[in-house]
Amino acid sequence: GQNIDQPTEMTATEGAIVQINCTYQTSGFNGLFWYQQHAGEAPTFLSYNVLDGLEEKGRFSSFLSRSKGYSYLLLKELQMKDSASYLCAVRTLDNYGQNFVFGPGTRLSVLP
Amino acid sequence: DTAVSQTPKYLVTQMGNDKSIKCEQNLGHDTMYWYKQDSKKFLKIMFSYNNKELIINETVPNRFSPKSPDKAHLNLHINSLELGDSAVYFCASSQVVNRDPQWAAFFGQGTRLTVV
Repeated sequence: GQNIDQPTEMTATEGAIVQINCTYQTSGFNGLFWYQQHAGEAPTFLSYNVLDGLEEKGRFSSFLSRSKGYSYLLLKELQMKDSASYLCAVRTLDNYGQNFVFGPGTRLSVLP
Repeated sequence: DTAVSQTPKYLVTQMGNDKSIKCEQNLGHDTMYWYKQDSKKFLKIMFSYNNKELIINETVPNRFSPKSPDKAHLNLHINSLELGDSAVYFCASSQVVNRDPQWAAFFGQGTRLTVV
């Protein structure tokens, strides 16, 4: 089966750094993706990792360890607009095709 | 130039009715999906279509039927709507063959379905 876990909620202060962790147990692993979702809006793609290591994209970085089934999203220089839910998703690929399995999401509140 | 568009954005209907939600993507992707996001915000896969063939069908009631007239469209038809069907439904698309370096799934704006 597929299982993805993230903390439910996190709180951080404007200007700070926050790390959102994700652990997964899936079959047919083909990449780990992070999405941002503001209330009432669609998920938007932030970052992805296929190989182990750190990928940096401006204020956002994502890390992957496939052997540990672990990823994190690092947000630097937090801004109020970063208050949103952050979804960890595993892309799977098998004989039946491609799928994206999402974790429960982490709701991040950025305080002034 | 919306990449993935779905209509309607809001849908309020009575129990027992039949309704459809339409989805179109202009990204040239070969796989399209329907996801359901419930009140707890959990995004759960319902269907996946690759080259017009259903390839994933999770434990979704057969009142829900996806219909894909072509690679760019995946519509969702729901029969005999129930109160528990109230949720936000998202359409998404992605590319399996590595053409897009991001390989991500891209989402439509969502349809908020309320069954009364």
